[in-house]
Amino acid sequence: DAMVIQNPRYQVTQFGKPVTLSCSQTLNHNVMYWYQQKSSQAPKLLFHYYDKDFNNEADTPDNFQSRRPNTSFCFLDIRSPGLGDAAMYLCATSRFQQGVDSPLHFGNGTRLTVT
Amino acid sequence: AQKVTQAQTEISVVEKEDVTLDCVYETRDTTYYLFWYKQPPSGELVFLIRRNSFDEQNEISGRYSWNFQKSTSSFNFTITASQVVDSAVYFCALSLYGGATNKLIFGTGTLLAVQP
Repeated sequence: DAMVIQNPRYQVTQFGKPVTLSCSQTLNHNVMYWYQQKSSQAPKLLFHYYDKDFNNEADTPDNFQSRRPNTSFCFLDIRSPGLGDAAMYLCATSRFQQGVDSPLHFGNGTRLTVT
Repeated sequence: AQKVTQAQTEISVVEKEDVTLDCVYETRDTTYYLFWYKQPPSGELVFLIRRNSFDEQNEISGRYSWNFQKSTSSFNFTITASQVVDSAVYFCALSLYGGATNKLIFGTGTLLAVQP
């Protein structure tokens, strides 16, 4: 089945140690998103890629970076994780075509713990 | 500014009861989308429905139904004959038209617990 896959499901990193979360999709969608969801809160958009064009949200900290080497893969890099970055990170995709955007399809998420 | 309010933080019902989850939104735009997503304990967000602002028809899908009323800026979600598998956090969300910026503005979610 076509889907959005996030690896790993659980990631533990140390304070200040860089970490990379990965997302892949078989939907051939041209837009990919990264959301951060802290405990008992709503998901919050960090950034998205429209094809290769990167779009950062104004309030996303510089500590968060992203790469999209091809249509299928997108990575979230946290350069120096702090305790406040512990959260569920959700990858999502959509297809934008002829002015119409499809609903977002989400992956299972990666739960990041910072020790 | 856009905002989505889900006033019900937690709801607990007994299996087979009907339950309605409330959603009120704010936007000055005339064209927008409204969504409902389900987040079970496993964590993924499961898409349930999208409704555009021009379509006020109510929708029914099995045990799920949605009531969209622009006059009250509400997009409520009803589960009929609830089941234990319906236990999850339900998010209502809003996004605006225009460009590949499907930025979902989420409400804070309603935790639904269905007891056997």
